[in-house]
Amino acid sequence: GAVVSQHPSWVICKSGTSVKIECRSLDFQATTMFWYRQFPKQSLMLMATSNEGSKATYEQGVEKDKFLINHASLTLSTLTVTSAHPEDSSFYICSASDGRVQETQYFGPGTRLLVL
Amino acid sequence: GEDVEQSLFLSVREGDSSVINCTYTDSSSTYLYWYKQEPGAGLQLLTYIFSNMDMKQDQRLTVLLNKKDKHLSLRIADTQTGDSAIYFCAEKDQGGKLIFGQGTELSVKP
Repeated sequence: GAVVSQHPSWVICKSGTSVKIECRSLDFQATTMFWYRQFPKQSLMLMATSNEGSKATYEQGVEKDKFLINHASLTLSTLTVTSAHPEDSSFYICSASDGRVQETQYFGPGTRLLVL
Repeated sequence: GEDVEQSLFLSVREGDSSVINCTYTDSSSTYLYWYKQEPGAGLQLLTYIFSNMDMKQDQRLTVLLNKKDKHLSLRIADTQTGDSAIYFCAEKDQGGKLIFGQGTELSVKP
């Protein structure tokens, strides 16, 4: 149980285009989903927290107009990187929590984004 | 702010025990977690411990928590080559966010 999927697993795009990443909880309802960014050989940096049906809460320094988050249902959250630039290239990981089981976060497999 | 520190590398021989250490600063943390990350993959929850516990054992994994010193450790018994990965400890802060350490890269040599 507690499986989280992400799609796509990797994406290459041209500078200036927008990229949408999906995060799904497959076997539980996720009241809260989190989006992280990870640079090579570094830890995870929390970008934003989203609750179903509410606006996402962004961490300091994260541009909400750049990284659009939608949590439209209890099993799906999306992250859209708008007008992507090479510096947005990174590994993006989502996690989901059902609010029970000690509020454990279950992580997706990650999406690697490369902006050319 | 909260901070979580880990040593960056650990190398052991197959069959030995591995001990990965972590220190944290937030004394109000309720849960502490250990996650495993293999190359190019997401994080896999290994185990967690509630802050009022001293120890938790789950098969080859033993978690020790010294709340007074704010020290957490993960012991892997009979370490195998498949255990080679990066291990992250994390604490849950008062706002419910996970604060991660830098990760410890475990290398298991045959």
